[in-house]
Parts: sequence; C-alpha cells; structure tokens
Amino acid sequence: SQQGEEDPQALSIQEGENATMNCSYKTSINNLQWYRQNSGRGLVHLILIRSNEREKHSGRLRVTLDTSKKSSSLLITASRAADTASYFCASTDSSYKLIFGSGTRLLVRP
Amino acid sequence: EAGVAQSPRYKIIEKRQSVAFWCNPISGHATLYWYQQILGQGPKLLIQFQNNGVVDDSQLPKDRFSAERLKGVDSTLKIQPAKLEDSAVYLCASSLGGTFVNEQFFGPGTRLTVL
Repeated sequence: SQQGEEDPQALSIQEGENATMNCSYKTSINNLQWYRQNSGRGLVHLILIRSNEREKHSGRLRVTLDTSKKSSSLLITASRAADTASYFCASTDSSYKLIFGSGTRLLVRP
Repeated sequence: EAGVAQSPRYKIIEKRQSVAFWCNPISGHATLYWYQQILGQGPKLLIQFQNNGVVDDSQLPKDRFSAERLKGVDSTLKIQPAKLEDSAVYLCASSLGGTFVNEQFFGPGTRLTVL
C-alpha cells in the first residue's frame, strides 16, 4: 500500500490565493519530496526536505516537515492558473525507495 | 539536456496480449526506475535498476511482468499476458544514483489500455 496520503484530495482556489496541501506518512523517513504532475509536463520534482529539516523554501513554494506527527505540508503562495496540476508527496525510507501518496488535485481558477 | 524518453506514448491491446515499453534515461544516470500509475493514484515503483543490475523488484508481478536494462542504458518493460487491471500509465524515471537520494526525472509515460 502507498505510504503517503494527501489531504485534501481536491482543491479549487482563485488565482492569487494561497494553496495548502498536507501529506501524512506511516514510517520513519530519510527525506520527503513533492512532485507536480500535469498533462503538459508530466511528473516534475519540486522540492526535497530532509528528515532533519523543518522548513524549506523555493520560490513560491514553502514546505514544512513535522517528523513527530509524520506529516508535511506544501504551501503555494500567490497561485497562478499554471499551477493547476496534481501534487504528490513522496517519502523515502531506509531503502531509499520513493513511495508516493495519492495526490491532491489543484485547480486554480483565473 | 535531453530528458527521459519513452515510447510508445499510447498503447491499446486486448487482454492476454503482450506489450513492451521502452525507456531511454538521461545520459549519465545510473539509476532507472519503472513505475505504474493507475488512474487517480500516485505512481507505484515496479522495479529499480542500478546500472544494469536490479536493486528492487519486490512489487513487480513477476508472473507476467519482466524488465531488463541491457548495457546499463536503455530499458524495456514487458507484460505478458496483459490483464484488464494492467491498464495504467507506465512511467520511467532516472536519477544520478549513488548513496544519496537524488531527484528523479520522469519521462512522459506510456498510457496502456487493456480491453
């Protein structure tokens, strides 16, 4: 079974608003990654946060990690229509295998 | 830099037929992965190669799925015979490999429909 579970499953927001997606995982991890998938560009790596990090930024993306709660969140600020996509968290355990969650479908309305 | 190439992009077959997918990773990437992504779900790892050796194939249904990576570059994934539940997108990814977890680069995928 997949380790990560995203919440919400679907999210619809207006352009310019912020979007927050949450991810929970089950076992200890080495790091957690976020990926975006859309029909135009396929699956693309966004950001990686290591187990000893609590927060990381990349452009309009902000990722947090709480290992005590086994959860992570992805915040997209000032969303754009081009951010419309599915977002997946993927965790790696001691075997360094990527285990993906079920994804959050984000719709950004112009 | 050229990305991960996959072919074909789409394939429609009838159950019990055979099908093969091809992947060409990014030049210099030692690690190659095949994932299965069923509609509405995240990708699930089927097999991981380090150069031309198998690192992990624990989730590969070996009674019908096979994969090889000759010469540590291109790879093929085969399904024989296909079942209805094999309908999915098959993604190939590659990474630099090594002892640290690297970013994985994904190909566009092959969408398989089994009728």
